[in-house]
Amino acid sequence: RKEVEQDPGPFNVPEGATVAFNCTYSNSASQSFFWYRQDCRKEPKLLMSVYSSGNEDGRFTAQLNRASQYISLLIRDSKLSDSATYLCVVHNNNDMRFGAGTRLTVKP
Amino acid sequence: DTAVSQTPKYLVTQMGNDKSIKCEQNLGHDTMYWYKQDSKKFLKIMFSYNNKELIINETVPNRFSPKSPDKAHLNLHINSLELGDSAVYFCASSQDRVPRYEQYFGPGTRLTVT
Repeated sequence: RKEVEQDPGPFNVPEGATVAFNCTYSNSASQSFFWYRQDCRKEPKLLMSVYSSGNEDGRFTAQLNRASQYISLLIRDSKLSDSATYLCVVHNNNDMRFGAGTRLTVKP
Repeated sequence: DTAVSQTPKYLVTQMGNDKSIKCEQNLGHDTMYWYKQDSKKFLKIMFSYNNKELIINETVPNRFSPKSPDKAHLNLHINSLELGDSAVYFCASSQDRVPRYEQYFGPGTRLTVT
């Protein structure tokens, strides 16, 4: 089992749709979790941290399920500009692992 | 103002050559990283330095040698380049080594070994 696993997609959704991604991790001692966004041929940028209680930032909601060892990202009312690859990141002390990313394409 | 900068942006070179990639951050961060993103887009950490001290050294060939002259700079030197070294190399920095801090990435260096 990979340490951090994501469905690579692609997810093709129409504008306005709601889409959700999951990311599973194997190390139960993992402490911190993040979602990063990477546009084509660009660097990754932090989208949001994932807190134990779940957190929301505008149209984006992140959740953590420690029992099942996964984090999720929900995007509501998708915009064309949301098209990108979404990377989940899992930290444990000095060990950090990126998922391979889930590609999202939002179409008009 | 560029927060994390890398040079060069593109690097095309032949097998067997030695090359360096430079990284600088002007954010005042204590920790810097080198990542490799291969053709399958998988981002893997290679090294991490905190205040010029090596804290993460993943299993990478010893042809790769990072150097941190000060906490604002982390350079990557690669000896005897191989075809499999072709990838995008990202430098990043964060406020501290504690995992809760956001990492800021440079624009990447696209290395092609022919």
